[in-house]
Amino acid sequence: DTGVSQDPRHKITKRGQNVTFRCDPISEHNRLYWYRQTLGQGPEFLTYFQNEAQLEKSRLLSDRFSAERPKGSFSTLEIQRTEQGDSAMYLCASSRRLAVNYNEQFFGPGTRLTVL
Amino acid sequence: AQSVTQLDSHVSVSEGTPVLLRCNYSSSYSPSLFWYVQHPNKGLQLLLKYTSAATLVKGINGFEAEFKKSETSFHLTKPSAHMSDAAEYFCVVSPGTDKLIFGTGTRLQVFP
Repeated sequence: DTGVSQDPRHKITKRGQNVTFRCDPISEHNRLYWYRQTLGQGPEFLTYFQNEAQLEKSRLLSDRFSAERPKGSFSTLEIQRTEQGDSAMYLCASSRRLAVNYNEQFFGPGTRLTVL
Repeated sequence: AQSVTQLDSHVSVSEGTPVLLRCNYSSSYSPSLFWYVQHPNKGLQLLLKYTSAATLVKGINGFEAEFKKSETSFHLTKPSAHMSDAAEYFCVVSPGTDKLIFGTGTRLQVFP
């Protein structure tokens, strides 16, 4: 069973540069989530997709952030004009939507972004 | 709005002694509650979940949690700590079938 994978695992960039992260969910999962975790805090929800449709975006997701899931499989998260405050761990999770009130989310190892 | 409060940022125990990690929740209706664990350099892993079935929930690695509506609590316990339990633990609430809302975490240290 292949879990959720994320690439790259680490990214160091200079302020003002654009970065893109990729997430590959578990193959049969139709829901995909992005979270951000800063040091000493719990993960915070950013956005999620059901298949290729982006169903919800957090207010944390400024207009510099954009996420896509073009074919309902992998997803990308792009940050334009990075700022030092964007430094964080970006986590991806996936789930298979069921007809009950909870679907377990499986998390990837995360991409750690450092903005210099 | 739903939220969770983890009452302790750090908990230290000796190996073989009981573990108690405290969590209170706020919800306008019956919530779904979870505990996740995060080991260094590893992904978040689900320990256990409460979804309005039995109030005492058993999870992996000997952990369990009890949902107490009257106290709005969902504390995580384990009878005997093991060195491998040292990690960050997150109490989580879900408003539905979409996003998870995490607490700020409790770092568990286990001393030999």
